[in-house]
Amino acid sequence: AQSVSQHNHHVILSEAASLELGCNYSYGGTVNLFWYVQYPGQHLQLLLKYFSGDPLVKGIKGFEAEFIKSKFSFNLRKPSVQWSDTAEYFCAVDMNTGFQKLVFGTGTRLLVSP
Amino acid sequence: GAVVSQHPSRVICKSGTSVKIECRSLDFQATTMFWYRQFPKQSLMLMATSNEGSKATYEQGVEKDKFLINHASLTLSTLTVTSAHPEDSSFYICSASQGAPDLGNQPQHFGDGTRLSIL
Repeated sequence: AQSVSQHNHHVILSEAASLELGCNYSYGGTVNLFWYVQYPGQHLQLLLKYFSGDPLVKGIKGFEAEFIKSKFSFNLRKPSVQWSDTAEYFCAVDMNTGFQKLVFGTGTRLLVSP
Repeated sequence: GAVVSQHPSRVICKSGTSVKIECRSLDFQATTMFWYRQFPKQSLMLMATSNEGSKATYEQGVEKDKFLINHASLTLSTLTVTSAHPEDSSFYICSASQGAPDLGNQPQHFGDGTRLSIL
């Protein structure tokens, strides 16, 4: 079965530190890739997505992610985190069904200390 | 834009009762709605996909007679947990999309979730 792995379950950073959250998936076909963020007490929101084209995609709030097909990875990055980035981050993969049938990773809780 | 309202946010009820959860798209027409279940410290697991006016498609291992899904209009889908038992206690999340095979990939917009506790 297809699966999505997020290796870091909890990450603690100081403000201005750089962030990289790992995401790997197991599926050999064409995929669409997503990162969602869930701020405390709020619903899931789309950070960025990759469907095709430039494998380096930029999202909201200074986040970016790079799709490396050979590594089945879609890691999320931000050069300098802020306290307001404290949230849970979910990687999700759609096996290109057209209906966005998403398989989610287990999430990474990020705590940014001021 | 693209707001999805899910109600109720929390429900506590006795074992054996049925519970209905509503998912509404407030400012767009949701061709497709999705229902997820999330256990503590685990990822969201897709339960079913529903398209307006047709029967829902359930994922493997999800009992369709237990989790009744109705998508009667382009703005409303409901999930009814029938004869709920303590093992059904979980966090249920809906999402809505304007996606359809001929519309290409459209993003999913998520509701706030419903925490269901069965005593």
